[in-house]
Amino acid sequence: AQTVTQSQPEMSVQEAETVTLSCTYDTSESDYYLFWYKQPPSRQMILVIRQEAYKQQNATENRFSVNFQKAAKSFSLKISDSQLGDAAMYFCAYRSGLTGANSKLTFGKGITLSVRP
Amino acid sequence: DAEITQSPRHKITETGRQVTLACHQTWNHNNMFWYRQDLGHGLRLIHYSYGVQDTNKGEVSDGYSVSRSNTEDLPLTLESAASSQTSVYFCASSESGGSETQYFGPGTRLLVL
Repeated sequence: AQTVTQSQPEMSVQEAETVTLSCTYDTSESDYYLFWYKQPPSRQMILVIRQEAYKQQNATENRFSVNFQKAAKSFSLKISDSQLGDAAMYFCAYRSGLTGANSKLTFGKGITLSVRP
Repeated sequence: DAEITQSPRHKITETGRQVTLACHQTWNHNNMFWYRQDLGHGLRLIHYSYGVQDTNKGEVSDGYSVSRSNTEDLPLTLESAASSQTSVYFCASSESGGSETQYFGPGTRLLVL
């Protein structure tokens, strides 16, 4: 079974600075998808970024980018120019890419990010 | 705009009562999921469905059931509510194929007294 580990329960960053959130996963599969979701105080789960394992290029969405290290099974999220609105809980998630496999997500336990003004 | 909604947003009930949480999506997605979120556990899968009349158990399915009679809805029923089922419940949906990115509803906070 796949597992997702977010070992840092909390992190803090100064506004306008850059922060990196760590995530590691364990799988025997070669085809899969990785996601970062943001959960602000409103509790809404918001997709931040998605990475396909078959793509070597790291995904980027505006100020958000990932460092995907397939061999190391590492999938970190970098937030540049941090803003107060980035304060939230962030979840890393895994989904199998096998044909016919179920579509369920396996989540890490999350990391709470605070942004200092 | 297409969306996914949950109702009620907040619910207080007593142990032993049957409770049903509604989930409705207008994305026309085949896949629908129910998760619960508890402190220290992240989100854990309760049940999921890949289409009408299809339902499957997730990792924490005991005490819960679902049914899928149409594409848009996947209600979650707690047959006999227990205090251990106090949690925040999220419904999600995704289309089949590709990354099958899941989109989440706003959540339902359930308190079982």
